[in-house]
Amino acid sequence: AQTVTQSQPEMSVQEAETVTLSCTYDTSESDYYLFWYKQPPSRQMILVIRQEAYKQQNATENRFSVNFQKAAKSFSLKISDSQLGDAAMYFCAYREETSGSRLTFGEGTQLTVNP
Amino acid sequence: DGGITQSPKYLFRKEGQNVTLSCEQNLNHDAMYWYRQDPGQGLRLIYYSQIVNDFQKGDIAEGYSVSREKKESFPLTVTSAQKNPTAFYLCASREGLSYGYTFGSGTRLTVV
Repeated sequence: AQTVTQSQPEMSVQEAETVTLSCTYDTSESDYYLFWYKQPPSRQMILVIRQEAYKQQNATENRFSVNFQKAAKSFSLKISDSQLGDAAMYFCAYREETSGSRLTFGEGTQLTVNP
Repeated sequence: DGGITQSPKYLFRKEGQNVTLSCEQNLNHDAMYWYRQDPGQGLRLIYYSQIVNDFQKGDIAEGYSVSREKKESFPLTVTSAQKNPTAFYLCASREGLSYGYTFGSGTRLTVV
């Protein structure tokens, strides 16, 4: 079974600065998708960004970007110009293309943004 | 607006009782999923369904049951066999292979 590891249970950043959240995964598949989800205190899961494994170009969504290293099985999230509203739990997730395209989640990184 | 509706938001259950969590979507998505979230942990897959009248066990299916009689509905029953049911439960659906999931707002189940 695929596994997703987030080695940073907690991170903090000053408002307007940049922070990087780490994620590694284990898989033997060549085609898959990777996601970062944000879970604020409301507990609603919000999709932040996704990356297709066959694309070498790193995905970017406004202030959010990823560093996807397929050979290293690494998928980090960079948040630029951090805002107070970015404070949340962030989950890295892997989607396999077999077994119903299920998502496997890491244990999460709690991000605090300091004013 | 299209989305996923989970009800109730909070649910209390006495030990030994079965309880059913509702999940309804009007997104016309084929696939639906149930996840469990414990404090400080990620989401773990309980059951999923790719089409009507078909579903598969996830990683922690013991003590749970589901049905998928309609495309829009995927209820989860937490049975008395589930030894530690207190948790936050999230339902999700998927549009297509290139997209992520849409999540409901969750149900917080507490055993009293």
